[in-house]
Amino acid sequence: DQQVKQNSPSLSVQEGRISILNCDYTNSMFDYFLWYKKYPAEGPTFLISISSIKDKNEDGRFTVFLNKSAKHLSLHIVPSQPGDSAVYFCAASKLHDYKLSFGAGTTVTVRA
Amino acid sequence: AAGVIQSPRHLIKEKRETATLKCYPIPRHDTVYWYQQGPGQDPQFLISFYEKMQSDKGSIPDRFSAQQFSDYHSELNMSSLELGDSALYFCASSLGSGSSYNSPLHFGNGTRLTVT
Repeated sequence: DQQVKQNSPSLSVQEGRISILNCDYTNSMFDYFLWYKKYPAEGPTFLISISSIKDKNEDGRFTVFLNKSAKHLSLHIVPSQPGDSAVYFCAASKLHDYKLSFGAGTTVTVRA
Repeated sequence: AAGVIQSPRHLIKEKRETATLKCYPIPRHDTVYWYQQGPGQDPQFLISFYEKMQSDKGSIPDRFSAQQFSDYHSELNMSSLELGDSALYFCASSLGSGSSYNSPLHFGNGTRLTVT
């Protein structure tokens, strides 16, 4: 049962524009959400996280928005750069839980 | 900064053989997690250890076992390998019990296991 869903398997965006990645979750017990970026032949790299007490967290070019009532979060990358081309995974857990549930990933391609 | 180190990077085994995967967490991290990522799939949680004790268990087959040692490194032992065990195995580490806003999971580069 997929508790975290990324319904867009791929996204293509022009360099300099905004990339918006979406993620939905079904488990209302989740209160901690993360985004990871993954290049081929490498492990997921932590990007940014947000706890359920916030609705926005920003770190440089990356901003994560959380809408708890809709069980939806999104990652905004502004401006998009060629090095951002990778697979992005959304993940969720209960705080202090040991298990992260991952989405299926969205492949982002940034066009020059 | 030091990252999570996994060895080996690649491993080829035959059916029914055994395999041991090793994970060295980020220094001072006391929690280790193992994930399995099959082709075209998202990472699936297998098992975790906090302070050398098993802290949670996911979809780990009975043929697999793992432990965390006194130096906090962890080993995943896989026996009676099957073709379906072919996957990327990721180890992650964090500081403190479980996922935390102040210490998210950091992943290694994985071990690619191929069972023939």
